Amino acid sequence: QKEVEQNSGPLSVPEGAIASLNCTYSDRVSQSFFWYRQYSGKSPELIMSIYSNGDKEDGRFTAQLNKASQYVSLLIRDSQPSDSATYLCAVNIEGDMRFGAGTRLTVKP
Amino acid sequence: GAGVSQSPRYKVAKRGQDVALRCDPISGHVSLFWYQQALGQGPEFLTYFQNEAQLDKSGLPSDRFFAERPEGSVSTLKIQRTQQEDSAVYLCASSLDGTGFAGNTIYFGEGSWLTVV
Repeated sequence: QKEVEQNSGPLSVPEGAIASLNCTYSDRVSQSFFWYRQYSGKSPELIMSIYSNGDKEDGRFTAQLNKASQYVSLLIRDSQPSDSATYLCAVNIEGDMRFGAGTRLTVKP
Repeated sequence: GAGVSQSPRYKVAKRGQDVALRCDPISGHVSLFWYQQALGQGPEFLTYFQNEAQLDKSGLPSDRFFAERPEGSVSTLKIQRTQQEDSAVYLCASSLDGTGFAGNTIYFGEGSWLTVV
């Protein structure tokens, strides 16, 4: 089992809809969790971080963490075509950052 | 520097050739990571430094891969006798500290795109 698992997609949503991205992780000692966005041919850029159980909102983005279920998600409200990218879930495991394979999101106008 | 800087940005190597990829992290960042990203995949962990100490090299795929950070700043990833399967983007990232707790955000460089022909 990989340390960080994501549904590879592709996930397609219409413009204005909510996009929901999911991630599970295997290491129970993980303390910090991140969502990165990666446009094609570019390096990943951080969009959200979350450290405690519950929801964290930042603009159109909401990260949700459930440590008991070892699950972290990202919701994108009012999706825009510019949100079309690959979204990478990352988990900090004792100082090492491990990434999922990414979910490719397409937002259709 | 303002961001993580990597060089070369693009490298074409003949199979069997040795290559060296350089990473200059954000000034003052303690932790430095190397990742390998194949097309359509997420970044795969290669190795991790705290200052000059290589704390984890479990992701290096073979003994042809070697990384160093002798003075705790600039790092070099060396690949000896390159093979076609080494073709990938090599991403370097740095973070302010490596404690693994809140605030350990990592920032990526633009990557070094290696093609082995």
